[in-house]
Amino acid sequence: ETGVTQTPRHLVMGMTNKKSLKCEQHLGHNAMYWYKQSAKKPLELMFVYNFKEQTENNSVPSRFSPECPNSSHLFLHLHTLQPEDSALYLCASSLEVRGLGYGYTFGSGTRLTVV
Amino acid sequence: AQTVTQSQPEMSVQEAETVTLSCTYDTSENNYYLFWYKQPPSRQMILVIRQEAYKQQNATENRFSVNFQKAAKSFSLKISDSQLGDTAMYFCAFMNSHFGNEKLTFGTGTRLTIIP
Repeated sequence: ETGVTQTPRHLVMGMTNKKSLKCEQHLGHNAMYWYKQSAKKPLELMFVYNFKEQTENNSVPSRFSPECPNSSHLFLHLHTLQPEDSALYLCASSLEVRGLGYGYTFGSGTRLTVV
Repeated sequence: AQTVTQSQPEMSVQEAETVTLSCTYDTSENNYYLFWYKQPPSRQMILVIRQEAYKQQNATENRFSVNFQKAAKSFSLKISDSQLGDTAMYFCAFMNSHFGNEKLTFGTGTRLTIIP
């Protein structure tokens, strides 16, 4: 168990469906992230939450909607996705302490296939 | 914006040999952090090693060590006595040191295969 749990592990959805990805951490971290991992491309940072407040949205289409109800949980709501949105979605968390740069703890990801 | 480049898409070595993975980065920052992450088939990204840019001493973790050349903006990973369990994707990553904005920027990865 990594300390960051993502569910579901696999998800197949049609373009008209609505689904949600869930991420949970009980490491006492204060920042959480969503990344998209596609083949042969660098991991793409999608959203950042610090202390439950969204601090970054990297021009992500509105069909992806994040939610962070508390510092331990992070959701990614999906609706009317496109086939090119098929990818591995990784959640991560970190403890931001001024200037210490600890790095992230990652979950095992959700493999999303849009059909 | 920072960029991270890994120029070796794939590598393979015999078990017990030593292998070096390359990484270069571009930044105008003076203080930052560098990381190597490993992603095995289980998909979980695992932190292998971390380097603080203001420290000249190269980081080591058991069989893993780095060659950090700050002026050249180079950060290579050396794996000694390679084992079958080292087979994975390896990602180099950069983090700035701005509190409240500690984002990780990743390279495209190197797929490493250890041959029995």
